[in-house]
Amino acid sequence: QSVLTQPPSVSAAPGQKVTISCSGSTSNIGNNYVSWYQQFPGTAPKLLIYDNNKRPSGIPDRFSGSKSGTSATLGITGLQTGDEADYYCATWDSSLSVWVFGGGTKLTVL
Amino acid sequence: QLQLQESGPGLVRPSETLSLTCTVSGASISSSHHYWAWIRQPPEKGLEWIGTIYYTGSTYYNPSLKSRVTISTDTSTNHFSLKLSSVTAADTAIYYCARAWDLFNWFDPWGQGTLVTVSS
Repeated sequence: QSVLTQPPSVSAAPGQKVTISCSGSTSNIGNNYVSWYQQFPGTAPKLLIYDNNKRPSGIPDRFSGSKSGTSATLGITGLQTGDEADYYCATWDSSLSVWVFGGGTKLTVL
Repeated sequence: QLQLQESGPGLVRPSETLSLTCTVSGASISSSHHYWAWIRQPPEKGLEWIGTIYYTGSTYYNPSLKSRVTISTDTSTNHFSLKLSSVTAADTAIYYCARAWDLFNWFDPWGQGTLVTVSS
């Protein structure tokens, strides 16, 4: 069972918007930066969002991140079939002294 | 462009030591002032942080694995390594190496990963 809680799956139609939640506590999300990773089947995770809401170079602005209290959210607008992947949130847990990841959310673009 | 590549045996016997190397190209692990990490993913499961090393040699390990893990750097060959002792089937996973911006921030980029199976 993951320290960070994500919904196992989300789905939406092409062109629509979807949000993926990541719930934690004060010892992790509440006091540390959140990053998000995109993983296609058979490939390594790729950084999508860092420092809660920043996008690395090359990541489209269709992807956004936000944080409020002990929860973080990944938003994806203008959904494309190519966005179908697993998405993971991650942060440092100051109490456990360990990096923690969410269980992952599988995005399906119907 | 920074690239990382994992290498090592794909099959390890139970109770033995898993040893992997991550070769870094496009940056020097001894001068880039970044951290270097190992993360694993059991088949069809989520991600688990194993540990991180700073170029000075300071290490930070997942408490759940700390007694069995050693991460080290070799500046002469620009790689860093993972050793995990007394492995069991539960250690079967894809092992990724990655650059960590610092101890508390993001991982980017990641290596392509290497599958290690623990089986007799």
